[in-house]
Amino acid sequence: EPEVTQTPSHQVTQMGQEVILRCVPISNHLYFYWYRQILGQKVEFLVSFYNNEISEKSEIFDDQFSVERPDGSNFTLKIRSTKLEDSAMYFCASSEYFLNTEAFFGQGTRLTVV
Amino acid sequence: RKEVEQDPGPFNVPEGATVAFNCTYSNSASQSFFWYRQDCRKEPKLLMSVYSSGNEDGRFTAQLNRASQYISLLIRDSKLSDSATYLCVVNERISSGSARQLTFGSGTQLTVLP
Repeated sequence: EPEVTQTPSHQVTQMGQEVILRCVPISNHLYFYWYRQILGQKVEFLVSFYNNEISEKSEIFDDQFSVERPDGSNFTLKIRSTKLEDSAMYFCASSEYFLNTEAFFGQGTRLTVV
Repeated sequence: RKEVEQDPGPFNVPEGATVAFNCTYSNSASQSFFWYRQDCRKEPKLLMSVYSSGNEDGRFTAQLNRASQYISLLIRDSKLSDSATYLCVVNERISSGSARQLTFGSGTQLTVLP
């Protein structure tokens, strides 16, 4: 069964450092998303991406965040200068269509900023 | 602010019990609805989509009431393996364009006891 894969599964970084989280969406999917979940809290939308550009972003997705699809398979989330409060589980997701369709999530990258 | 509200839980039920979860959403423009389950420190996984006519998948039944902006999930004959957090998820258009996002409820924790 096709699945969304994310690497690394766990990333520890020092405050102020840049991190890149990587995702390989399901191959025939056209819509890609990043979500995050701070421990014990709800899953929060960060950004959606379609046709090589951002479709929508939340208030969380400020100038420190960026997304890129550098090739035909990878989808990345970059945090330029990490803060302690960026510590969370980051989930990548993809969906085939954007209307009335479910999204499939990767297993997540646990980011710990120290 | 658009919200998805769920029963706070936690629900602790014996094996074989029937348990029901409720969810309300505030964005009347929401178009599609889902129940996801999330195991501890894992990614959300789609349990079922929710349709206006109601739908059933084995022991699981989902209902949608658009007029009341209310979604429910019924689990019959609960199993130990049903223990998880159940997330009510709404796919909504959040701007005048075509961009959509999944908005998650905070989840209801279910523990099925032997």
